[in-house]
Amino acid sequence: QSALTQPASVSGSPGQSITISCTGTTTDVGGFDYVSWYQLHPGKAPKIIIYDVSNRPSGFSNRFSGSKSGNTASLTISGLQAGDEADYFCSSFSGTLTREVFGTGTKVTVL
Amino acid sequence: QVQLQESGPGLVKPSQTLSLTCTVSDVSINSGDFHWTWIRHHPGKGLQWLGFISSRGSTSYNPSLSSRLSISLGTSENQFSLKLTSVTAADTAVYYCAKEDGFSYGIFDSWGPGTLVTVSS
Repeated sequence: QSALTQPASVSGSPGQSITISCTGTTTDVGGFDYVSWYQLHPGKAPKIIIYDVSNRPSGFSNRFSGSKSGNTASLTISGLQAGDEADYFCSSFSGTLTREVFGTGTKVTVL
Repeated sequence: QVQLQESGPGLVKPSQTLSLTCTVSDVSINSGDFHWTWIRHHPGKGLQWLGFISSRGSTSYNPSLSSRLSISLGTSENQFSLKLTSVTAADTAVYYCAKEDGFSYGIFDSWGPGTLVTVSS
């Protein structure tokens, strides 16, 4: 299965909002409401920040929000902070055979 | 949060078998309804779901790797393992173990820090 398409990089100034897109097909993003987003800091365990398109794990910052329209999911980070610099990956369920497909990843830079 | 830690050799020769173990803390891997999962990250590329073994012992593999991949419960308590045979340079990646909620899809709520495996002679 093909990876979901994300922009390679997105940047913003502290306090600004940025949005990362995640484009798939009708067999993954468009077909199921099982999109998740993960934050990867180098050398650390990845963290789930959004699941089921728009739900946040308990205790995670409400500066992170998710949405979906058609075959494209989006992650918005508001009030950008230096600690938000990381790689972000989306993922989507893609059926019981192939299970899970991930995005190509987006590097977020805080200017 | 559940703690996971990957372990295994960092260098594997081409055509040999890559073997990794994931040690889980704070929950028994035989309890609940979880999928104990392996995911890898190729340098400069996206993540790839490899497969899982459930708390009940059933497995599911990425079709593109299923002929070379096996995931099993470890010989020691609270561990699960990955074996990938006939490796090539394309298998060079950071390998993560993770816990997936078995009641939904794609909720990998705990991960290990990852281990880099390089395939080279």
